[in-house]
Amino acid sequence: NAGVTQTPKFQVLKTGQSMTLQCAQDMNHNSMYWYRQDPGMGLRLIYYSASEGTTDKGEVPNGYNVSRLNKREFSLRLESAAPSQTSVYFCASSEAQGGGETQYFGPGTRLLVL
Amino acid sequence: RKEVEQDPGPFNVPEGATVAFNCTYSNSASQSFFWYRQDCRKEPKLLMSVYSSGNEDGRFTAQLNRASQYISLLIRDSKLSDSATYLCVVNPRNYQLIWGAGTKLIIKP
Repeated sequence: NAGVTQTPKFQVLKTGQSMTLQCAQDMNHNSMYWYRQDPGMGLRLIYYSASEGTTDKGEVPNGYNVSRLNKREFSLRLESAAPSQTSVYFCASSEAQGGGETQYFGPGTRLLVL
Repeated sequence: RKEVEQDPGPFNVPEGATVAFNCTYSNSASQSFFWYRQDCRKEPKLLMSVYSSGNEDGRFTAQLNRASQYISLLIRDSKLSDSATYLCVVNPRNYQLIWGAGTKLIIKP
């Protein structure tokens, strides 16, 4: 079991470029999440998907879009990257979306926007 | 006021010592509470859930004080491998966890 995998691990973008961060889980979890982590701040939820076919905004969705491609995969797209989007991005999954379940995280993507 | 607040540290502690840190939360309706551990440049991993009656897992003890709205984590007989950042997590709503910024712990030989 690989758990939660993310690609790429590192990325450097220029302002205005676009990219998609990929996430996949092999634990048959229903719920998936995208977070960003910035120095001195807690993880902040960007988008989540409670189940296949549904997505909802989290705390900081502006500038991002997501796609729940199937039960395993949940991608995050930056259409026009901005320096404020420089961050570490984590994908996570859980069995359900009640808030009491353990979330399992991928290794993260470190993004630098110049 | 932040919804979840933690002392960022670092806490520098000698190996074998006992260390404790707290986390305060603002939403009195919060339903569930957790401690996650994050090693440097790695992903967070669940350390333990925090139950109303308190709970213990080996050298780790977690407590919840609803009246004062804080949770605590106690680590006894600390090991070098306990060096990490400890993240306090609170569930004030059913779908969205609120994460503290973390407390950094450094265990020194």
